Amino acid sequence: GENVEQHPSTLSVQEGDSAVIKCTYSDSASNYFPWYKQELGKGPQLIIDIRSNVGEKKDQRIAVTLNKTAKHFSLHITETQPEDSAVYFCAALSGGYQKVTFGTGTKLQVIP
Amino acid sequence: KAGVTQTPRYLIKTRGQQVTLSCSPISGHRSVSWYQQTPGQGLQFLFEYFSETQRNKGNFPGRFSGRQFSNSRSEMNVSTLELGDSALYLCASSAGLGPDTQYFGPGTRLTVL
Repeated sequence: GENVEQHPSTLSVQEGDSAVIKCTYSDSASNYFPWYKQELGKGPQLIIDIRSNVGEKKDQRIAVTLNKTAKHFSLHITETQPEDSAVYFCAALSGGYQKVTFGTGTKLQVIP
Repeated sequence: KAGVTQTPRYLIKTRGQQVTLSCSPISGHRSVSWYQQTPGQGLQFLFEYFSETQRNKGNFPGRFSGRQFSNSRSEMNVSTLELGDSALYLCASSAGLGPDTQYFGPGTRLTVL
């Protein structure tokens, strides 16, 4: 089955700096890669996603890059703000079914 | 559009009991997936239902079961509760027609004493 590794497990940055979270996946058939943000006491919220036919996608301060050959994808947050503090999960999905494999999560702390 | 709703939000049970959790997906979504989230194991896939049929199942014992109704609402049941079943149970819905965005509910926090 699919295996998704995520690094780092914790990340502290100063407000205004950039944050990068990296994930690798094992199943070359995976073709959809969402990123979720989870705040305390809440369910994961989709923040950005990318499909395997695209190399990069950007939405304001958030961007995701995908390298299919190397089987890795990354989340980039620029100009971080305290409200970006949360746990971030990457995930991979393949095929027509919704069996999503999640990474182990990155706890991001933005220091004011 | 209303988001995914889950009831109840919190539950306390004792070992050996059973529990039923409910999930109402976003209107028009036909796929409902269930996940268990614990500090030690992270987010683990339980099963997915699409049009009342279980399409996919994770590696959980048979004590964990689910069903989906014709209106796409879903329930999951855990029988003979164990201490290790204490977790946040998350439901996610999607259109379900292919690799698709899943939208999560707030979860049900289950504590087994």
